[in-house]
Amino acid sequence: DSGVTQTPKHLITATGQRVTLRCSPRSGDLSVYWYQQSLDQGLQFLIQYYNGEERAKGNILERFSAQQFPDLHSELNLSSLELGDSALYFCASSISGTSVNEQFFGPGTRLTVL
Amino acid sequence: TQLLEQSPQFLSIQEGENLTVYCNSSSVFSSLQWYRQEPGEGPVLLVTVVTGGEVKKLKRLTFQFGDARKDSSLHITAAQPGDTGLYLCAGANAGGTSYGKLTFGQGTILTVHP
Repeated sequence: DSGVTQTPKHLITATGQRVTLRCSPRSGDLSVYWYQQSLDQGLQFLIQYYNGEERAKGNILERFSAQQFPDLHSELNLSSLELGDSALYFCASSISGTSVNEQFFGPGTRLTVL
Repeated sequence: TQLLEQSPQFLSIQEGENLTVYCNSSSVFSSLQWYRQEPGEGPVLLVTVVTGGEVKKLKRLTFQFGDARKDSSLHITAAQPGDTGLYLCAGANAGGTSYGKLTFGQGTILTVHP
């Protein structure tokens, strides 16, 4: 158990819908990262927050957004869902956003868009 | 764009054999992590290497960071069925707009047969 929690574990929805994925980092970790994992793309970095502020952006679509709240939990919002958005979404946390940057991953949310 | 190339993509061996997984890039990373992932679960951090030329051992696993911090290898001695899984290398950016971002290799699927 990494100490990072994610909910829900599974999510099935239809195209065009909007969903919210939730992540609680390890106790004491200030940075939260979101990743998308699909069979053909591997693990892709989406976005990072550090202590409530956006720190780095990766291959995140404009239809996707995230935020980190004062209690440090984070939410990833996916809207106007398409079939291709079906994937595993992981949240990871680290103490800071330093260059050593050991990240600890949650169990993931499996999103299926029908 | 930073890329990490992992090889081989698939590895199927018998229990007791040795194996090496390679992770190569043309970019310099501030640190490099190795993760192991089981199907449907989040990646689990195995080790972080920071210094060029660094070697770390974790029981039967030996990790090496290249002198130029562009490549790394994972060597497993006397593989066991419990070593079966997806092995991922990930390089951490040191600064700029991608501070804290991890770039993942495509992964090596290892199967160890009894």
